[in-house]
Amino acid sequence: GEDVEQSLFLSVREGDSSVINCTYTDSSSTYLYWYKQEPGAGLQLLTYIFSNMDMKQDQRLTVLLNKKDKHLSLRIADTQTGDSAIYFCAEMGSGGSYIPTFGRGTSLIVHP
Amino acid sequence: KAGVTQTPRYLIKTRGQQVTLSCSPISGHRSVSWYQQTPGQGLQFLFEYFSETQRNKGNFPGRFSGRQFSNSRSEMNVSTLELGDSALYLCASSLGANQPQHFGDGTRLSIL
Repeated sequence: GEDVEQSLFLSVREGDSSVINCTYTDSSSTYLYWYKQEPGAGLQLLTYIFSNMDMKQDQRLTVLLNKKDKHLSLRIADTQTGDSAIYFCAEMGSGGSYIPTFGRGTSLIVHP
Repeated sequence: KAGVTQTPRYLIKTRGQQVTLSCSPISGHRSVSWYQQTPGQGLQFLFEYFSETQRNKGNFPGRFSGRQFSNSRSEMNVSTLELGDSALYLCASSLGANQPQHFGDGTRLSIL
């Protein structure tokens, strides 16, 4: 089956940039998503990118997509303690699916 | 616009009991999916409903079931509860094919 891989942990200092990486195997992926989960809450959709795009910027968030290498990244500029959370990468295949494939999540820890 | 609403937020049950969880999707969303989230297994897909029909099913035993009503609200039921069923159960709704899923805050189920 299709697979989405993420590193489990990332620790950064407040004010620095964070880069969370994700790789996927489905070459027919059409949409790729980033979700954020804070303690005790569900997954919040942060941003998403279409597979025909290379980059998308939304305020402090920058998504980069390398379709050739099947690599997706989320950059958070000026990381704040409130950004501490688990970040999930997800991809949607091309078959008109409603069910994305999720990674295991990257736990971002922001320390002062 | 109201988000996805899940009730109850917390439940405590004992082994052998059964439980019903409820999910109200975002207005206009006809696809409702259920996920189980545990620290060990991550986010696992249970099933997806669209127009009162189960269209996709994950790899869970028959003790896990669900249904969707004509107003798109959905319920999931777990019978003969086991200790391993302790988890956060998340519901997500989406507008259509290849559209992002929007999650509720989940129901935290604890089995004693």
